[in-house]
Amino acid sequence: AQSVTQLDSQVPVFEEAPVELRCNYSSSVSVYLFWYVQYPNQGLQLLLKYLSGSTLVKGINGFEAEFNKSQTSFHLRKPSVHISDTAEYFCAVSEIGTASKLTFGTGTRLQVTL
Amino acid sequence: DTEVTQTPKHLVMGMTNKKSLKCEQHMGHRAMYWYKQKAKKPPELMFVYSYEKLSINESVPSRFSPECPNSSLLNLHLHALQPEDSALYLCASSQEAASGINEQFFGPGTRLTVL
Repeated sequence: AQSVTQLDSQVPVFEEAPVELRCNYSSSVSVYLFWYVQYPNQGLQLLLKYLSGSTLVKGINGFEAEFNKSQTSFHLRKPSVHISDTAEYFCAVSEIGTASKLTFGTGTRLQVTL
Repeated sequence: DTEVTQTPKHLVMGMTNKKSLKCEQHMGHRAMYWYKQKAKKPPELMFVYSYEKLSINESVPSRFSPECPNSSLLNLHLHALQPEDSALYLCASSQEAASGINEQFFGPGTRLTVL
């Protein structure tokens, strides 16, 4: 069974600073990887996904993530954050060839301040 | 249309009430999901429907009863809930469930309060 670890429960950062949200996963088979964002009182929105190919994935709102198979990581980065990026970010994994289950990490609260 | 809609947005119910949550998508997706999310926690999978058939039930209590009338609609019938069932209930859909390419599109959720 797969698992996802987001070690940082909260990441405070100043506006216009860069940020990295960490995600590590564990699985005995190959996986697909996702980052979702959740703004207060809203559903989850897909930021980006890694299915195959280039390990550097670009998503919406200026975010990108890099898949590192040897380190089983899929860290999310943004070179310059905005106040509006304040939200909860979830990393998720799905095992290739198996049905249905998307396993989420515990989430990282990104708090952007002036 | 890349939207998943959920109604109602908010629901307050007593422990003896019967209510239903509704979810709709028009993306031609063949897999639909119900999740429960407590505050400051990730979503927890409850049910998965694949091609209108229940394929996964994550040992959810029988007071939650899912229904998939057609490929675009998903309901969650609620009866005799407990206060600890208060949560945000999220619906999601994806192209299909079997391939593992599980790019799920989420609705805005229904905030449920059980008194």
